[in-house]
Amino acid sequence: NAGVTQTPKFQVLKTGQSMTLQCAQDMNHEYMSWYRQDPGMGLRLIHYSVGAGITDQGEVPNGYNVSRSTTEDFPLRLLSAAPSQTSVYFCASSYSSADRERDGYTFGSGTRLTVV
Amino acid sequence: QKEVEQDPGPLSVPEGAIVSLNCTYSNSAFQYFMWYRQYSRKGPELLMYTYSSGNKEDGRFTAQVDKSSKYISLFIRDSQPSDSATYLCATNFGNEKLTFGTGTRLTIIP
Repeated sequence: NAGVTQTPKFQVLKTGQSMTLQCAQDMNHEYMSWYRQDPGMGLRLIHYSVGAGITDQGEVPNGYNVSRSTTEDFPLRLLSAAPSQTSVYFCASSYSSADRERDGYTFGSGTRLTVV
Repeated sequence: QKEVEQDPGPLSVPEGAIVSLNCTYSNSAFQYFMWYRQYSRKGPELLMYTYSSGNKEDGRFTAQVDKSSKYISLFIRDSQPSDSATYLCATNFGNEKLTFGTGTRLTIIP
């Protein structure tokens, strides 16, 4: 049972480049989400999905795109990277039921992205 | 103003001390309250959750919620060096979307 797997762990991009951060979970969780973590800002929700084919915006969605074609995968696309997107990105998943508070979100180990 | 406010610290205490970590929130509609622990260069992991006002204990950890004053606390008794981490409070409206505090960085000094 691998939990939530994020790739890559580290990435350096040039301004204007695009890339996809991968997230996969093997727990059959309905809910998946992407957060970015910045010093002094905490974890901020970028996009989330309550099931395959359903996505919605979070608190800071601009510059990011997502899709959910399967229950297991939830990739995050940076369309045209900017230095302001330098951050640590976390993918998280949970059940979409009352069990989610008891069991908690399962987070990946993060992707450290630097945009130069 | 952020919906959940948390003192970022850092906080350093000697081993064995009682640690108190606190958050305040602004929206009375928040229903569940959680504490996550995050070790350096790792993702957060759930430490405790509670729904109602009052105290909830789990070993050396006690989560306290006061809905009347919109105040959340986490107490750590007999603190250990392994408790050194960033602690994040979190809350939701009873749905999937979590709102996190900024996190408090805690160091336990041996």
